[in-house]
Amino acid sequence: AQTVTQSQPEMSVQEAETVTLSCTYDTSESDYYLFWYKQPPSRQMILVIRQEAYKQQNATENRFSVNFQKAAKSFSLKISDSQLGDAAMYFCACHAETYKYIFGTGTRLKVLA
Amino acid sequence: NAGVMQNPRHLVRRRGQEARLRCSPMKGHSHVYWYRQLPEEGLKFMVYLQKENIIDESGMPKERFSAEFPKEGPSILRIQQVVRGDSAAYFCASSGTSGRLSDTQYFGPGTRLTVL
Repeated sequence: AQTVTQSQPEMSVQEAETVTLSCTYDTSESDYYLFWYKQPPSRQMILVIRQEAYKQQNATENRFSVNFQKAAKSFSLKISDSQLGDAAMYFCACHAETYKYIFGTGTRLKVLA
Repeated sequence: NAGVMQNPRHLVRRRGQEARLRCSPMKGHSHVYWYRQLPEEGLKFMVYLQKENIIDESGMPKERFSAEFPKEGPSILRIQQVVRGDSAAYFCASSGTSGRLSDTQYFGPGTRLTVL
């Protein structure tokens, strides 16, 4: 069975600083994808970044980047130059079986002005 | 280029009533997935449908819940005789025609169901 674990229920960061959100996962599949989604108070699920397991290079999207450690099954999200609009719940997800996304329980990020 | 659309965004029902949640996938997408998010939890897979077919409903409660994706019109998630424990956000996602692992699922804005 696949699992996704986010061990940080809540994190805080000062505006303009950098924060890292942790995620570990477990799957027996050799081919899979990993995602970070942002869920603001509107509850819309917004795709932040996607990583393909067979790619060694860490994915980057503007101020968002990941540290993908395949052997350790770790997939952390780094947010640089944090902005007030980054405040939200962040969910890590694993897509290994053909159609099921497995989500973690989320990390609530607070951005302090 | 409309994304995944869900309606209603908010739905209030009394215990014992029926709830019908609608999902229109992105244009060109024929694969629909429903997920449920209980308070303070992540999303959990419920069911996967293609046009006129249920492919996997392993995440659906055995009773009171059903889903369909007709040839014409939106996908419907139906909850009969709702109970307070059904209060949650229900998300629909869609993906492209192949349903492959590489197809990203795009999520709608969700329907928040409140059962009084």
